[in-house]
Amino acid sequence: GAGVSQSPSNKVTEKGKDVELRCDPISGHTALYWYRQSLGQGLEFLIYFQGNSAPDKSGLPSDRFSAERTGGSVSTLTIQRTQQEDSAVYLCASSRGWGNTEAFFGQGTRLTVV
Amino acid sequence: GENVEQHPSTLSVQEGDSAVIKCTYSDSASNYFPWYKQELGKRPQLIIDIRSNVGEKKDQRIAVTLNKTAKHFSLHITETQPEDSAVYFCAVLPRGSGYSTLTFGKGTMLLVSP
Repeated sequence: GAGVSQSPSNKVTEKGKDVELRCDPISGHTALYWYRQSLGQGLEFLIYFQGNSAPDKSGLPSDRFSAERTGGSVSTLTIQRTQQEDSAVYLCASSRGWGNTEAFFGQGTRLTVV
Repeated sequence: GENVEQHPSTLSVQEGDSAVIKCTYSDSASNYFPWYKQELGKRPQLIIDIRSNVGEKKDQRIAVTLNKTAKHFSLHITETQPEDSAVYFCAVLPRGSGYSTLTFGKGTMLLVSP
């Protein structure tokens, strides 16, 4: 079956512009995560959605970052007024249940802010 | 929040040798410890996991050991092959996240030379 799909795969944007990154999770997966991967760094947690519960936004680095999940499925991560330090690979993952079930990752969106 | 330390950051071995990667964590109530493998340009994928009620788990050439008292766990790869070359991430599911979101280590780049 289809895995987690992210779009675009690559995005180059000018500093100060807004960007939207999209994630299509595996059908039926209630949990959806966004992580950020910078060069030489691990996977930095950004935000977590579980079913219809309020999202855990504790990992968002600033108020320029926001995310939505519509209809319990597709999610969009928005970065406003992008800065060069936002350059990274943004990974989305989904899982069937809670944190102790396998997380399936998308291929990521490589964001470059110039 | 949870602190996960992963060592070494890079590891070079000859084909056929064993490789060991170690992670330490701070939240003693953490209860799930997966390992993800990320090949160059690919998405992270789960290779093995262990839960807190088990001390060791094996799957063919890979194994994970958990020492809850010392708060560390390790990935062991025996008879390494060139296709094992990748970045390996450990992760921890801490109580502080409500057992919902993983905290990842910074990764270990494993290079297996033929």
